[in-house]
Amino acid sequence: NAGVTQTPKFRVLKTGQSMTLLCAQDMNHEYMYWYRQDPGMGLRLIHYSVGEGTTAKGEVPDGYNVSRLKKQNFLLGLESAAPSQTSVYFCASSYRREGTAYEQYFGPGTRLTVT
Amino acid sequence: AQKVTQAQTEISVVEKEDVTLDCVYETRDTTYYLFWYKQPPSGELVFLIRRNSFDEQNEISGRYSWNFQKSTSSFNFTITASQVVDSAVYFCALSEEGAGSYQLTFGKGTKLSVIP
Repeated sequence: NAGVTQTPKFRVLKTGQSMTLLCAQDMNHEYMYWYRQDPGMGLRLIHYSVGEGTTAKGEVPDGYNVSRLKKQNFLLGLESAAPSQTSVYFCASSYRREGTAYEQYFGPGTRLTVT
Repeated sequence: AQKVTQAQTEISVVEKEDVTLDCVYETRDTTYYLFWYKQPPSGELVFLIRRNSFDEQNEISGRYSWNFQKSTSSFNFTITASQVVDSAVYFCALSEEGAGSYQLTFGKGTKLSVIP
């Protein structure tokens, strides 16, 4: 099993450009998440999904959009990149069971620089 | 609102010393879950432990141990006889059942450097 994979691993964008980050998991997990990690800030939740076709906003959703058309994929889009979106982006997934939180499995991260 | 505080930004220890990483959390839920993750210099996030709010038993896994105290809202992590491979950033995280999505709120992390 590949677990959680992210594409691409690195990307440099110019201000105003758009891009999509792809997250894929092969563990049949219901829940998927997108986080960003900035120095000294820990990880902050951007958007999440509790199942195919559903998405919701997290702590820092502005400037991002997401889609979950297939259970195994969770896409993060930047419509008009800004330097403040320079960060490392992590995707994660976890099992779903009523009344229990399971550990999240993380992808390797995407390092994005916006100039 | 839930919150996780890791007051120690950076810690340096000499190999074989014991070290404790502190984690203090805030939540209004009675049912919640606490986690520790390790982020080595290579950058990936590695799950270490999950604990639910109804289980206050301490846990030991090899050189790692965790002390969960609801009375002080703390979930501290101790590494015994530290090794260079323990050098990493360690994150404590909280998940509330009331959120439904079980999203994680992370602390800002503690960077541990183990000096040979």
